[in-house]
Amino acid sequence: KQEVTQIPAALSVPEGENLVLNCSFTDSAIYNLQWFRQDPGKGLTSLLLIQSSQREQTSGRLNASLDKSSGRSTLYIAASQPGDSATYLCAVYKAGTALIFGKGTTLSVSS
Amino acid sequence: NAGVMQNPRHLVRRRGQEARLRCSPMKGHSHVYWYRQLPEEGLKFMVYLQKENIIDESGMPKERFSAEFPKEGPSILRIQQVVRGDSAAYFCASSQGLAEINEQFFGPGTRLTVL
Repeated sequence: KQEVTQIPAALSVPEGENLVLNCSFTDSAIYNLQWFRQDPGKGLTSLLLIQSSQREQTSGRLNASLDKSSGRSTLYIAASQPGDSATYLCAVYKAGTALIFGKGTTLSVSS
Repeated sequence: NAGVMQNPRHLVRRRGQEARLRCSPMKGHSHVYWYRQLPEEGLKFMVYLQKENIIDESGMPKERFSAEFPKEGPSILRIQQVVRGDSAAYFCASSQGLAEINEQFFGPGTRLTVL
């Protein structure tokens, strides 16, 4: 059974810091991995999707990596801003099933 | 190109009433997923539908919950005889269903409160 774990559960940093969020999964037979952002009381915004054949994806200040063999992904946020404060969710997809989510990392960036 | 639409955004029901949640997928998407987010818990898969077909309902409670995605109109998640434990945020996602990509796009959710 696939399990997705995100560490840390919560993170507080001052503005301008670079930071890394971690995601691990138990079954390496995945098709892709998606990182989402969720603001309090809001829906999910897709940030990055990494296909199983890829090792990383970049969008602006965000960079996500994927290491299937070790069952890990990281989301790197450069030069953090208060507007980055949100919960970040990692989810894996295996063909024929829906996304399996971690519980998220709640990020707080102080100005 | 409108994103995934869900309504209502907030729904209040008394115990024993019925709740109907609607989801309109993105244009061009024929695959719909429903997820539930309980307080302090992660999102959990409930059901996966294509037009007129339930593909996977393994995450949906066996009683009181049902889902449909008719040929015309939105997907409906129906909860009969609601109980307080049904209070949660219900999210719908849609995708094109491309096997190896299947990027899912989420709606804003329906927040159900059962009094």
